[in-house]
Amino acid sequence: DTEVTQTPKHLVMGMTNKKSLKCEQHMGHRAMYWYKQKAKKPPELMFVYSYEKLSINESVPSRFSPECPNSSLLNLHLHALQPEDSALYLCASSRMGSDEQFFGPGTRLTVL
Amino acid sequence: KNQVEQSPQSLIILEGKNCTLQCNYTVSPFSNLRWYKQDTGRGPVSLTIMTFSENTKSNGRYTATLDADTKQSSLHITASQLSDSASYICVVSANTNAGKSTFGDGTTLTVKP
Repeated sequence: DTEVTQTPKHLVMGMTNKKSLKCEQHMGHRAMYWYKQKAKKPPELMFVYSYEKLSINESVPSRFSPECPNSSLLNLHLHALQPEDSALYLCASSRMGSDEQFFGPGTRLTVL
Repeated sequence: KNQVEQSPQSLIILEGKNCTLQCNYTVSPFSNLRWYKQDTGRGPVSLTIMTFSENTKSNGRYTATLDADTKQSSLHITASQLSDSASYICVVSANTNAGKSTFGDGTTLTVKP
C-alpha cells in the first residue's frame, strides 16, 4: 500500500463546531506531517510528528490540535475555527531521515 | 533566508508541445530538490527527487535537471498531454532543517487541445 488517505474529503463547519480530520498510511513511515494550503499558494507546514512524537509546531494557533495515536494514524482536531482557516488541509508521510514526502488527497475545509 | 523561486508563474501550451519550467533556490546547505505535480484540489504527487550529486533524472515524459553550482533546476515536459495541466511545485530541503522544506510558489501549466 503506497497511499496516504484522508477523511473526510470535504468538511463544512461553523465557528463553534468541533471536528476532526483524519489521515492514515500503511507504508511504515514514521514521520507524518500536516500542511495547510490556500488557493494558488504552496502548502504551508503546520506540524511534524516523528515516531509518534510532535517534533515541529510552526506556531500554529491552539484551535488546531494534532494527535498521533499510532504510527499509521494522524488526526487534526479543530475547534473554534475562523473563516480564514478555510483551506485545503494536506497530510503527508515519509521515512525517517527522508525528505521525500507522500501526500494525501487533502480535506477541503470551509468555515462559515 | 532560504528561498525557492519558480518561473514562469503560469504557462499555456498546445497539446503535443514541449515546455520547460524553472526553479532557482538559495537553500543552504543543500540536501535535495523535488518536483511535485499538483492537480487542482488534490495533494501533490512526487515526480522526481535529486540530491547534490545528481544532475538529471527522468520520470516518463518528465525530466528534471539540477545545477548545484548555480542553484538552478528545470523540469522539462515532453510531448505534453491535456492531463499535464496542473501546478508544478519545486521543493528544496536543507541538511540542517529536518522535517522542513522550502516550497516554491509553483508554475501553473495549462495544456490546450
